[in-house]
Amino acid sequence: GAVVSQHPSRVICKSGTSVKIECRSLDFQATTMFWYRQFPKQSLMLMATSNEGSKATYEQGVEKDKFLINHASLTLSTLTVTSAHPEDSSFYICSSLKGKETQYFGPGTRLLVL
Amino acid sequence: GQQLNQSPQSMFIQEGEDVSMNCTSSSIFNTWLWYKQDPGEGPVLLIALYKAGELTSNGRLTAQFGITRKDSFLNISASIPSDVGIYFCAGRGGSEKLVFGKGTKLTVNP
Repeated sequence: GAVVSQHPSRVICKSGTSVKIECRSLDFQATTMFWYRQFPKQSLMLMATSNEGSKATYEQGVEKDKFLINHASLTLSTLTVTSAHPEDSSFYICSSLKGKETQYFGPGTRLLVL
Repeated sequence: GQQLNQSPQSMFIQEGEDVSMNCTSSSIFNTWLWYKQDPGEGPVLLIALYKAGELTSNGRLTAQFGITRKDSFLNISASIPSDVGIYFCAGRGGSEKLVFGKGTKLTVNP
């Protein structure tokens, strides 16, 4: 398998603040990484595709100005939830694409906005 | 857009029993992946399938890429309590993005 880490594993913040989540591909370089959101008892919902050295591609309905993605190196992508509100509370999961076929997921970040 | 139908939605079995779950697609996929997710964790890759007709095993797990490229199944033999979790199928079509099934929740009674 492959190792993908996320930090922090959980975060609680006040409404209106911004939260940054890091995703690291530890044992292979990833030109492409993905950010997902998962609500309780539901499947993963793709938010955006993060491409190293270029702008992220957002899925329909995902606000790019609210969910800022930066993929500055081949092993690190960050997701910043800006001006977080309670409805942004969710489980955020990243994945790294190995080759062109296989995604390996991070352990997820639980965000709670009060 | 592409959709995956995963069934069953949930299963309750006795330890030692075999389990089978499957996914079907409305369109052709080039890759099928099966993941297991434990509560509060990210999905862990179990088996990856890259060719139509491919049959691959990983310990007690066996998965097949359907010959039509529109379906895949996952079998678990001789289930044990630690098999409990949610199993997701995922397919890749013409892009790098994955389409996920809604998951099969497996409960194993000791």
